Amino acid sequence: KAGVTQTPRYLIKTRGQQVTLSCSPISGHRSVSWYQQTPGQGLQFLFEYFSETQRNKGNFPGRFSGRQFSNSRSEMNVSTLELGDSALYLCASSPRDREETQYFGPGTRLLVL
Amino acid sequence: DQQVKQNSPSLSVQEGRISILNCDYTNSMFDYFLWYKKYPAEGPTFLISISSIKDKNEDGRFTVFLNKSAKHLSLHIVPSQPGDSAVYFCAASGGWDDKIIFGKGTRLHILP
Repeated sequence: KAGVTQTPRYLIKTRGQQVTLSCSPISGHRSVSWYQQTPGQGLQFLFEYFSETQRNKGNFPGRFSGRQFSNSRSEMNVSTLELGDSALYLCASSPRDREETQYFGPGTRLLVL
Repeated sequence: DQQVKQNSPSLSVQEGRISILNCDYTNSMFDYFLWYKKYPAEGPTFLISISSIKDKNEDGRFTVFLNKSAKHLSLHIVPSQPGDSAVYFCAASGGWDDKIIFGKGTRLHILP
């Protein structure tokens, strides 16, 4: 099976712009979670989607949003980018429940200038 | 407030010896714990997990110990190998909102 894929791998944006990141889970996996990784904060949970519904959400401002499509692919959007949004954004998929093993993609590294 | 804490940012261990990575948590509702390993430029990969009904889980060179009364878990790697050099994340779930909470990670260096 192909692993979790994320596009793009690298992205440079300027403050105030918006960005959309994409994640394709492992075939058959219905749960997709998004995380932000920064050097000082480790991995922080953004949100989780299951069967096109947001099942849980982390403590991030409303500028961070996401969605999931019927084929389980997910997108994450960040509007009005701030310098502090520079991070590695990781997507993880699992078959049903987040307590099952999550499989992570390679991440999208976002740099906000 | 950090619900999952990995107090050692880095750890160096001689090849062949035992590596012990520690993790503390504050939320007594957590009932499932996981360890992930991350190499640079790659996403984390699952290593081993433990449910709160157990106090030990073993998988090859990796053993996770859970001390619920102390709200502490540890990952033992024995013997340590050069390929074990990576960042290790501890994670927990089962809180009121069932999110998975990660620690900040510990960078393990295996010395030749």
